[in-house]
Amino acid sequence: GAGVSQSPSNKVTEKGKDVELRCDPISGHTALYWYRQSLGQGLEFLIYFQGNSAPDKSGLPSDRFSAERTGGSVSTLTIQRTQQEDSAVYLCASSILDVSSYNSPLHFGNGTRLTVT
Amino acid sequence: KNQVEQSPQSLIILEGKNCTLQCNYTVSPFSNLRWYKQDTGRGPVSLTIMTFSENTKSNGRYTATLDADTKQSSLHITASQLSDSASYICVVSARGGSYIPTFGRGTSLIVHP
Repeated sequence: GAGVSQSPSNKVTEKGKDVELRCDPISGHTALYWYRQSLGQGLEFLIYFQGNSAPDKSGLPSDRFSAERTGGSVSTLTIQRTQQEDSAVYLCASSILDVSSYNSPLHFGNGTRLTVT
Repeated sequence: KNQVEQSPQSLIILEGKNCTLQCNYTVSPFSNLRWYKQDTGRGPVSLTIMTFSENTKSNGRYTATLDADTKQSSLHITASQLSDSASYICVVSARGGSYIPTFGRGTSLIVHP
């Protein structure tokens, strides 16, 4: 079946512009995560959606970052007034999660490489 | 604070050789530990999962071990191949609340011919 799809795969933008990154999770997956990975670094948690619950936004680095998940499926990560330090790969992952499914793996997309010039 | 530490940070080996990657964690209460493989330009893919009662688990040439008492895990790669060149990430999940796992920074493995 189809995996997690992210678009665009690459995005180059000028400093100060807004960008939107899209994630299509695997159908039926209730949990959706956004991560950021800077060059040569580990994954940095940004935000987590689970079903209709309020998202966990504890990883968002500033109020320039926001995300929404419409209809429990597609998610969009928005970065306003981009800065050069926002340059990174943004990864989305989805998972089947319920109270008995701590063991479900995260399924990742291949990410959006964002370059802020 | 939940933490996952991996070592070494990077490793270079010759094709056909074996290697072992290490992971130490302080996540509590422990639910499970996964090893992910991340190829360049791709998202991470799960290799294996270890739960509290499991000591060792194999997936082809990959063998993971878990010592829940010392909170350590290892990933052993046998007869390495060029395609094993990747970043290997240790990820630990806690039980009872947050579904947000804790990621290690990864070990970058390069296999030379």
